[in-house]
Amino acid sequence: TQLLEQSPQFLSIQEGENLTVYCNSSSVFSSLQWYRQEPGEGPVLLVTVVTGGEVKKLKRLTFQFGDARKDSSLHITAAQPGDTGLYLCAGRSRPGGTSYGKLTFGQGTILTVHP
Amino acid sequence: DTEVTQTPKHLVMGMTNKKSLKCEQHMGHRAMYWYKQKAKKPPELMFVYSYEKLSINESVPSRFSPECPNSSLLNLHLHALQPEDSALYLCASSQPRMARNSPLHFGNGTRLTVT
Repeated sequence: TQLLEQSPQFLSIQEGENLTVYCNSSSVFSSLQWYRQEPGEGPVLLVTVVTGGEVKKLKRLTFQFGDARKDSSLHITAAQPGDTGLYLCAGRSRPGGTSYGKLTFGQGTILTVHP
Repeated sequence: DTEVTQTPKHLVMGMTNKKSLKCEQHMGHRAMYWYKQKAKKPPELMFVYSYEKLSINESVPSRFSPECPNSSLLNLHLHALQPEDSALYLCASSQPRMARNSPLHFGNGTRLTVT
């Protein structure tokens, strides 16, 4: 069973602060996705990272995939109240084996950004 | 607006009731999913349909019965549920799960309360 350890579980910060969320595993993933979920809605894809060492930027959000494709991070610069939500990382398993293509979610990070 | 539509948005049912959750997508996706999500937790996979055939059942109790009438529709039939089954039920779709980077497109869920 592939596991994704996501940390921290809860994050409460003031507007304008920076933060980083981590997603770690002992398993290699073929790709890793980050989702954000707001109350009353389903998760929405933010980014997919595929290549080891890859860095992707989405406005104030920076996503990184580890060189070995076992870990990822999400960094938010100058957080805003609109960034509040549940952030989920999800790894897609590699070819070979019955779990190929299956998406494994981390436990999630609940981010609250106070004005 | 999400491209995956779920109905109803809210459902309250007794333990002896029979009800159905419905999901529809028109993105041409050939993989559809049911997830269960408890508050502040990640989604838990229940079922996966690929090309209208059930490909994954994550040992879900038989009181949950999925159905995929065609490539655009996914139903979840509920019967004799327990109070602990109260949760947000999310439908998602994607390109067939074997596609390496295929993200999930989630609906906004049905908030189910079992009394």
